[in-house]
Amino acid sequence: QSVLTQPPSVSAAPGQDVTISCSGSSSNIEINYVSWYQQLPGTAPKVLIFDNNERPSGIPDRFSGSKSATSATLGITGLQTGDEADYYCGAWDSSLNAWVFGGGTKLTVL
Amino acid sequence: QVQLQESGPGLVKPSETLSLTCSVSGASISSGYYYWNWIRQHPEKGLEWIGYMYFSGTTYYNPSLKSRVSMSRDTSKNQFSLKVDSLTAADTAVYFCARSLRTSAHDGFGVWGQGTRVTVAS
Repeated sequence: QSVLTQPPSVSAAPGQDVTISCSGSSSNIEINYVSWYQQLPGTAPKVLIFDNNERPSGIPDRFSGSKSATSATLGITGLQTGDEADYYCGAWDSSLNAWVFGGGTKLTVL
Repeated sequence: QVQLQESGPGLVKPSETLSLTCSVSGASISSGYYYWNWIRQHPEKGLEWIGYMYFSGTTYYNPSLKSRVSMSRDTSKNQFSLKVDSLTAADTAVYFCARSLRTSAHDGFGVWGQGTRVTVAS
C-alpha cells in the first residue's frame, strides 16, 4: 500500500479538464515539495510538475499543480488522447526519511 | 542532453544477488552536485525509491531496503551501480535509474533511464 493516496482511475472526454488528487500527511506533502510524473505505456516516468506547481521547460501549461495542507492536485486542461497515461505523485517523507509515491492514477481519455 | 541507460540480467534466482548498472552520458556523475537514484516499479504497481548516490560518492538508502541494497560507482566509465542481496519474488520489478531534478535530493527526478525488467524466479 502506497504512502500517498491517489484514485486508481479517472476519465474524461477530449477537450475536457480533469484533476487528480494525491493525499498524504504532515510528514510528506504538508512540509515537502510535491512532484508529479506522467508514465506513458511502456515508457519511463517523466516529470510534469515539481515544487508543487512548477513546470519544467517543455511541459505545456495545460498541466498544473497545487497543494493545500496534506493534499496535492494535478490539473490537466484541454485533454488530448495523447494524455492517456499513468500519473504519479511523489514527495520526500521526513518521518520515513525516504521518497514516497502514490499508487498511480490511470487517465483514460474517452 | 543527459541520458541514462540501465543494464543487467533479466532473470535472477531467489536468494541470489542482483547487480544493475546505470550508464550516464551528457553529464558527469562525479560533478554537478546532482543525486543519482535507483527507483523500481513492481508489476502493475506504483513506484518504490531505493536510494541515491550523491556526486561526491555518498550514498543513502531507503530504510525499508537498507539491509539488502548497496550502491557503488565507476567514475572512469561514468556509471553507477546497484546491488540487491537475498532476492525474493517480491524484488521482481522494472528498475530505473534517475537523476535528481536539481541539486537537492528532495526536489524530484528530472531524467530517467528507460528501465530494465528484472524477474526473480528459479
